[in-house]
Amino acid sequence: AQSVSQHNHHVILSEAASLELGCNYSYGGTVNLFWYVQYPGQHLQLLLKYFSGDPLVKGIKGFEAEFIKSKFSFNLRKPSVQWSDTAEYFCAVSEFGNEKLTFGTGTRLTIIP
Amino acid sequence: SQTIHQWPATLVQPVGSPLSLECTVEGTSNPNLYWYRQAAGRGLQLLFYSIGIDQISSEVPQNLSASRPQDRQFILSSKKLLLSDSGFYLCAWSDPGQGSKTEAFFGQGTRLTVV
Repeated sequence: AQSVSQHNHHVILSEAASLELGCNYSYGGTVNLFWYVQYPGQHLQLLLKYFSGDPLVKGIKGFEAEFIKSKFSFNLRKPSVQWSDTAEYFCAVSEFGNEKLTFGTGTRLTIIP
Repeated sequence: SQTIHQWPATLVQPVGSPLSLECTVEGTSNPNLYWYRQAAGRGLQLLFYSIGIDQISSEVPQNLSASRPQDRQFILSSKKLLLSDSGFYLCAWSDPGQGSKTEAFFGQGTRLTVV
C-alpha cells in the first residue's frame, strides 16, 4: 500500500530563515504529488502540485518543491520564511490512475518573529 | 463555482450514541468524495472514498460507515460511538474528470468529542 512519510514533526524557525520540509513516498510507479497547508483555524488548501515535466514546481506564497524520482522524495522549500507561514504542512501522493489521495502525518511549522 | 459544506462544525456525543456527519458538494456533478480523520501526530487518515453512488471503498477497519445516497452527498455514520472515535473529521471532493491529477478540496471539518 502507498505510504507517505514526513519525518519532521515540528519545525521551529526564525523569520527570514530558509525552510526545507521532507516528504518521501513508497510507491514505485507514476505518482502525482501535492503539498497542502493548513493555517491556524482554516481549512486545508493546496500549496502546489506536481504531475509531470519540470521536477521543480512553484506554488503560492513563494514555496517550491522538487521531485526527485530516484529518492522517492518531494521536499518543500522556501528561501525566506515569514511569521505568516506558521501552519501545518501535509504532503500527499496519488498513484497514476487512482483517485485515492494518501497524506503524510504532517509537519507543524512555527515561525518565531 | 464549486463549494463543499460539512456539518456540524463541532459535536459532543456520549459513548454508545449514534453518529451522522453530512457533507454536500455544490457546483459539480459526480465528484469523487472522501472522508478523512485528522489526529495529532497521525496526519490525515483516509477513512472512505467514493467514485459514485453506492461505490464506496473503506480504507481502514473501524466503527464507522459511509453512505452516498445522492450524487453530491456523503454521510459518515456510526451506530455506537466509541471514545476512540473522537477526532477531527474532514470531507473532501475531487474532480473525476482530472483522474488522479486532481487536487482535493476540503470542507471546514467537524470536531467530534465522544464523552
